[in-house]
Amino acid sequence: GAVVSQHPSWVICKSGTSVKIECRSLDFQATTMFWYRQFPKQSLMLMATSNEGSKATYEQGVEKDKFLINHASLTLSTLTVTSAHPEDSSFYICSARGLRSRAGEQYFGPGTRLTVT
Amino acid sequence: EDQVTQSPEALRLQEGESSSLNCSYTVSGLRGLFWYRQDPGKGPEFLFTLYSAGEEKEKERLKATLTKKESFLHITAPKPEDSATYLCAVRVYTGGFKTIFGAGTRLFVKA
Repeated sequence: GAVVSQHPSWVICKSGTSVKIECRSLDFQATTMFWYRQFPKQSLMLMATSNEGSKATYEQGVEKDKFLINHASLTLSTLTVTSAHPEDSSFYICSARGLRSRAGEQYFGPGTRLTVT
Repeated sequence: EDQVTQSPEALRLQEGESSSLNCSYTVSGLRGLFWYRQDPGKGPEFLFTLYSAGEEKEKERLKATLTKKESFLHITAPKPEDSATYLCAVRVYTGGFKTIFGAGTRLFVKA
């Protein structure tokens, strides 16, 4: 149980274009979803937290107009990187919590590797 | 400033050679400390949550302990399949909740 999927697993896009990443909870209802980015050999950096049906809360320094997050249902959240640039290339990981999740427990997706050329 | 430091950065063990990973933190308003395992190119996998000093949690060959300033992840008789990066994170409340991750310890276990 508690499986989270991401799609696509990797994507290459040209500079200036937008790319959407999906995060789905497959066997539970995700009341809260988190989006992280991770650079090679570095730890996770939380970008934003989203609760179903409400606006995402962005961490300090994360541009909300560049990284659009939508959490329209209890099983799906999307992250859209708008006008992507090479410095946006990174590993993007989502995680989810449900009503029955123990405090602090998050189930992570497999990640999406974004390369902007 | 809230900070989480993991040591060592990398650890190489022989199969069966027990050891410990360290996660030290300087934060205010600690609301929990978490351990995750991450395999290369994959998302982290939740291992443990610890809330108060003296607390211990176990899962197979792993045992996590917590003091007021640090946490240890003990690995007993590791196997090659335990090779991964182990991440520590703390959840703090300072006017709002925040989760801070350490940089991780890369563990290599050789058969």
